Formats: sequence, C-alpha cells, structure tokens
Amino acid sequence: EIVLTQSPGTLSLSPGERATLSCRASQSVSSNYLAWSQQKPGQAPRLLIYGASSRATGIPDRFSGSGSGTDFTLTISRLEPEDFAVYYCQQYGSSPLTFGGGTKVEIK
Amino acid sequence: EVQLVESGGGLVQPGGSLRLSCAASGFTFSSYWMHWVRQIPEGLVWVSRINGGGSTTNYADSVKGRFTVSRDNAKNTLYLQMNSLRTEDTAVYYCATWVGGVPYWGQGTLVTVSS
Repeated sequence: EIVLTQSPGTLSLSPGERATLSCRASQSVSSNYLAWSQQKPGQAPRLLIYGASSRATGIPDRFSGSGSGTDFTLTISRLEPEDFAVYYCQQYGSSPLTFGGGTKVEIK
Repeated sequence: EVQLVESGGGLVQPGGSLRLSCAASGFTFSSYWMHWVRQIPEGLVWVSRINGGGSTTNYADSVKGRFTVSRDNAKNTLYLQMNSLRTEDTAVYYCATWVGGVPYWGQGTLVTVSS
C-alpha cells in the first residue's frame, strides 16, 4: 500500500499570498496518477488536479500541480477567500486507493 | 459527463445491515473497476473494489467478512451490502472510479451506526 504524507498539516496565510502544499509517496505513483482535491465542511471533495498536473474542468488557473514519482506539489498562486479549505492528495495508480491526511489552509 | 450518485445511507443500530447503491452514467460502466471509499474524521479510507465483470473483489481488512461489493451492469449500478455494522463504520461513503486517467466520485451518502 502506498502511504501518502502531506505537509504541512496546517498552512496559515492571507488572501493574495501563495500557497505551496506537499504530498510525498512511500513509493513511486504509477503513471503519475496523483490527484488533488479541495474539501469544505459538509461537502464532498472537489477534484482540482489529476495526473499530477492536469487541471480538472472549471478549475481556475491559479491552481497548479507538479511533481512525479514520489514527490508532488499543489500550488495556489494567489489565495482567494474561497480557497481556504482542506486539501487532499490521492493516488489511484495502485490498489488500494490511498489518500493523504490533508492540509488545512486557514486564514492568517 | 461522468456522474456517480450514491444512495441508501441512514441511521442503523450496531449489528444491523444496510445496502448502499451507486448509480453511474456517462461512461461504459461494465468496463471499469469501481471502488467504495469512506470518510471518517481521521480522513479518507478505501473500503472495497470490484472489477468490470464483477468477478474480482477486494476489501479492506476492517470490513472483510462483513461487507460485500457487487454490481449490476445492466442497471449501471454498484452496491455495497454492509452487515454486522459497528459504530466505527459511521462515515460518509463514496463510490469512485477513474475514466481516461481522471478520478471521479459521487457526493456521498452518510451512514450512522448508533443505538
């Protein structure tokens, strides 16, 4: 089973700042099948990035994903008020599907 | 457009049973592995999977022997039969798949196990 470790656990930033979130895998993610999703309280996760770097439909270009193998990054170039939420990485290249523990992006 | 819609959640007593459904559309359902994932306060956890033809299933150790995944390809529907439910099975349950390298999941259905 691939273990995904997200860091930091919490990121305290102000609107307009840049956010950099990390996801490290215990072994290489097959086909770079690494996704990032955003979750707000009471809602299902919303897909942001798939295949490590492809933006999902309708996702603003301030969200970008990068990385390969075992190290992946989600960058939010300029935080908007609606971006304060919890972010999860997920690998779907190997079974079982596994998820990171999440990074909470909170308003400073 | 790929859509997954879960249903069947609710309140059940410990030891009880519940069957979840996931209605799929927008892709060739019978060609894809389907998964169940649950979200507990500690995070998201994979529960089970089934191959396109329904002949191969796998389970997390925590549900093995109690949960059964199945599918009806004629109805484009995935199921999760949950028996001998425990309080620790309380969670939002999502069905999930990926098509063309893009992961999809539904809006989830809440299962609460409590007396």
